[in-house]
Amino acid sequence: AQSVSQHNHHVILSEAASLELGCNYSYGGTVNLFWYVQYPGQHLQLLLKYFSGDPLVKGIKGFEAEFIKSKFSFNLRKPSVQWSDTAEYFCAVNARNTDKLIFGTGTRLQVFP
Amino acid sequence: GAVVSQHPSWVICKSGTSVKIECRSLDFQATTMFWYRQFPKQSLMLMATSNEGSKATYEQGVEKDKFLINHASLTLSTLTVTSAHPEDSSFYICSARDGAERMGHNEQFFGPGTRLTVL
Repeated sequence: AQSVSQHNHHVILSEAASLELGCNYSYGGTVNLFWYVQYPGQHLQLLLKYFSGDPLVKGIKGFEAEFIKSKFSFNLRKPSVQWSDTAEYFCAVNARNTDKLIFGTGTRLQVFP
Repeated sequence: GAVVSQHPSWVICKSGTSVKIECRSLDFQATTMFWYRQFPKQSLMLMATSNEGSKATYEQGVEKDKFLINHASLTLSTLTVTSAHPEDSSFYICSARDGAERMGHNEQFFGPGTRLTVL
């Protein structure tokens, strides 16, 4: 069965610090990978996605993620966080032959000014 | 971008009553919609996949007689929590896949969620 693990449950940073959130998945076949963000009181929004091609994916708001197939990882990065990045971040995976998304447990990011 | 709405955004009901939650795709046709449940400080758990014009596919452990799903049109899916009990209190989120995209090569667009509280 597919699974997604996010190792960081709660991350606290100061503004301008660099961010890296880990995401690992378990599935032997071809996958699509996603990072979603949920701002306080708002619905899930797509940050970025990887289907194929360049494993370094750039998303909105300065976020990027790198797919490393050999490590089954899709870590999210941002070189300099802002207070407005405070939110819950979810990594998600779906096998290429299905639309079922499997979500990680989420990482709560708090950024202090 | 594609917009998905949910109604109501929150509902409080008495134990034993039924509650219907609507999920609509506003600017695209959604042949497939998904229903998730999110517990506090936890991830989204897929409950069922809803395909327009056919029966929903439920995930293991989800009672289909308790969580009735109807996907009668390309823009509307409903989730009815029947005979709700306090343990059904949760945040229910729907998502929709654009029917114009081929399966497995697209993203899901999420609704804002419905907070259900059963007293």
